[in-house]
Order: sequence, then structure tokens, then C-alpha cells
Amino acid sequence: DAGVIQSPRHEVTEMGQEVTLRCKPISGHNSLFWYRQTMMRGLELLIYFNNNVPIDDSGMPEDRFSAKMPNASFSTLKIQPSEPRDSAVYFCASSPFDGSGRNEQFFGPGTRLTVL
Amino acid sequence: GNSVTQMEGPVTLSEEAFLTINCTYTATGYPSLFWYVQYPGEGLQLLLKATKADDKGSNKGFEATYRKETTSFHLEKGSVQVSDSAVYFCALSDPGNEKLTFGTGTRLTIIP
Repeated sequence: DAGVIQSPRHEVTEMGQEVTLRCKPISGHNSLFWYRQTMMRGLELLIYFNNNVPIDDSGMPEDRFSAKMPNASFSTLKIQPSEPRDSAVYFCASSPFDGSGRNEQFFGPGTRLTVL
Repeated sequence: GNSVTQMEGPVTLSEEAFLTINCTYTATGYPSLFWYVQYPGEGLQLLLKATKADDKGSNKGFEATYRKETTSFHLEKGSVQVSDSAVYFCALSDPGNEKLTFGTGTRLTIIP
């Protein structure tokens, strides 16, 4: 079975440019999470969706970041305009949702973003 | 709010040594507890979990026991291998909420 798919795997861009990261969750999973990982701040939850609806976006750093989930099989994280401090590895994860809090999250391979 | 505190790294051990990575948590209810592992260049993957007090999670020779009285979930392995070199994250989630609260991660390096 295919796991969580993220694209691109690597992105290098210049400050001020728009960046779009993409994620395809595992089929049948109805929770989706976006994380950011850096050496300085560790692993941070940016936003998560249940059944395509954003539930908690308190981790989104600022208005330059936005996330959408137009359907159950696709989500995007957009940064506009990008800044060098946005350089990080961005992970998408998905899990089945049954309200128990016991379910494993399945992580994608990540997108390594470098903003010059 | 919820929080997870885990052992500061990095940790370096010789092959076949005994491993303990400490993890303690703060939560208001009865959370589920997890250990995730991240190998170089990869995303996190579940190593083991426990969903109620006194449960023991185990996988690949690793074990952790959910201790409610000490609010701990320490990771142990009796004999580590070079292939265990990775970053290990302790995490918890509340009932009714799929959101995970992670610790800061512990980098483990095993030398031959």
C-alpha cells in the first residue's frame, strides 16, 4: 500500500517567492496533519484537519502560511511570500479518526525547503 | 495543557549496551502514549504505543510501560544495534483528540 505521499521532496527558492507543498494522505484516513521540523525549534504542529475541515491552526506561524484540504485525498501548504527563516523540513501525516486518540499517525517522507 | 519531557541527548552507546531513554508527561486525563522513531532522512514512524495504565508496548526489542503513578513511559532495549541509531520521540494524545504532543526528541548513536 502507498503511504503518505509528499511533493516535492526538495524545494529551493528565493526569498519572496511563493512555495506550495503537496500531500496525499493514505486512502481512508480522515485526519491530516502538517508539521515543521528544524534544529532550533524541533517538531512543530502547524495545522490539522478532520474530514477536510481545519480543526486547529494555532501552530501556523503567521498570515504568510495557509493550508487547504479541498478533498479527502489532497492537501496543500502554501507560503507566500517565503522567507529564509521558513527553511525547514515539512512533514505531512495522516491517521484514521475515531475519537479515541489511540491511532497511529503515518508520516510522509517530508519536503526539505530551502529559502535563499 | 499537555506536555512531554524526555531525556536530553545526544546519547552515544556501544553496540549490545542496554538503552534507557526517559520520558515523563503531564496530562489532565488518561492519554495514550507513543514512541516514534525517525531514521536519517525519513519521516517519523511509530515504534510502539500503550493506551492505558500498566500496558506495555513492545516492538523490535524495544519496550515501554505506561506508569500512571509516576507519569512516565521510559523506552528500553536490552541490547542495541548500530541500526538503532536514530532520533526517538515520546508523544501523547488525549481521548477524543488525534493531535499528538511530542517531546523534543533524543538522538541516539550506536557505535560498533
